[in-house]
Amino acid sequence: SQTIHQWPATLVQPVGSPLSLECTVEGTSNPNLYWYRQAAGRGLQLLFYSVGIGQISSEVPQNLSASRPQDRQFILSSKKLLLSDSGFYLCAWRRDSPLHFGNGTRLTVT
Amino acid sequence: GDSVTQMEGPVTLSEEAFLTINCTYTATGYPSLFWYVQYPGEGLQLLLKATKADDKGSNKGFEATYRKETTSFHLEKGSVQVSDSAVYFCALSANLGNTPLVFGKGTRLSVIA
Repeated sequence: SQTIHQWPATLVQPVGSPLSLECTVEGTSNPNLYWYRQAAGRGLQLLFYSVGIGQISSEVPQNLSASRPQDRQFILSSKKLLLSDSGFYLCAWRRDSPLHFGNGTRLTVT
Repeated sequence: GDSVTQMEGPVTLSEEAFLTINCTYTATGYPSLFWYVQYPGEGLQLLLKATKADDKGSNKGFEATYRKETTSFHLEKGSVQVSDSAVYFCALSANLGNTPLVFGKGTRLSVIA
């Protein structure tokens, strides 16, 4: 069966520090991968999605970036965090199926 | 572009009450429709889905019927429990391939004993 792993579960970072969130999928190949952000009390915002290694589509201009160095690995990064980057970050995958989500990373920028 | 509109929350119900969360959509063609549930501190889980008009998705006592004529996919449950307290998201997908899902803003449900 397919599983998705996302870490860390929680993260507290100071403003201006770098960020790296990692997501991996097991049990499938060539999945479509997604990063969403959920700000407090708000809905889901699609940040990036990828249909293959090295292929990244950005939905919202911001100081975040994404990379897909391997087929089942998706990384969300920032060189310098802003206070507004605080939120709940969700990785997800699909392949001719409904979207499957990881458990999320709660990021607090202080 | 495609969009999903769901009723604003929060919704507060007593245990065993009837639940309806409205969801309407705008899309070209024939999208697939989904309801996801998010329990506190967790990611989203697929609750149910419907892939064509008049399909009824059901799971854990929840139901939703794909109504093309009214472009709706309302979520219902006959008798809610405290454990149903969560945020519910309606979503659509233009197809089951690469297209990212479009989500509604979510409806928070609180069920009190």
